[in-house]
Amino acid sequence: GQQLNQSPQSMFIQEGEDVSMNCTSSSIFNTWLWYKQDPGEGPVLLIALYKAGELTSNGRLTAQFGITRKDSFLNISASIPSDVGIYFCAEQRWAGNMLTFGGGTRLMVKP
Amino acid sequence: DTGVSQDPRHKITKRGQNVTFRCDPISEHNRLYWYRQTLGQGPEFLTYFQNEAQLEKSRLLSDRFSAERPKGSFSTLEIQRTEQGDSAMYLCASSYGVGDPSGNTIYFGEGSWLTVV
Repeated sequence: GQQLNQSPQSMFIQEGEDVSMNCTSSSIFNTWLWYKQDPGEGPVLLIALYKAGELTSNGRLTAQFGITRKDSFLNISASIPSDVGIYFCAEQRWAGNMLTFGGGTRLMVKP
Repeated sequence: DTGVSQDPRHKITKRGQNVTFRCDPISEHNRLYWYRQTLGQGPEFLTYFQNEAQLEKSRLLSDRFSAERPKGSFSTLEIQRTEQGDSAMYLCASSYGVGDPSGNTIYFGEGSWLTVV
């Protein structure tokens, strides 16, 4: 089956720094989604991408759907302590809309 | 809009016991999903319903697992004869599915933690 490789697995950064994380897949995707999960909570959708090359922002977050349709990145600018959590990329299947998640990037921010 | 609600939030059970989780989706959402998440991993798809019909089940859903959505509203996920390997967070999600993914945002509940001892 398809595989989603997410990197880095974890990041420890200073407050105010910019962050970049990415996902690659073994097959072509029709969607790329980015979710954030806080400890003990369910994932929350941050950004959804539906077209190759699409670049979308949500506040300090920016994500892009790679031209090859096999990768995506998420950037967070000027990180703050509440950015702490696990960030997941995911693909949303066309039929049924089920999600396949990557392994996650754990972000830790030092005040 | 109260969001996706799951109950109980935490459950500790002895191996071999049965457990049941309940999910109340966002009202008017026709699609309901169950996912399982173990520590350090992303959520994995288990099964989904469109209204009351269970349309797909993952190979992860062994015979000891059963899910229902009798009236197309709330859903239950039952695990029979629990094993230690069932320890995980069980996430419910819902969406209003009308075809292609764009616009069909999937909303997750807060999850139900299961610990089998």
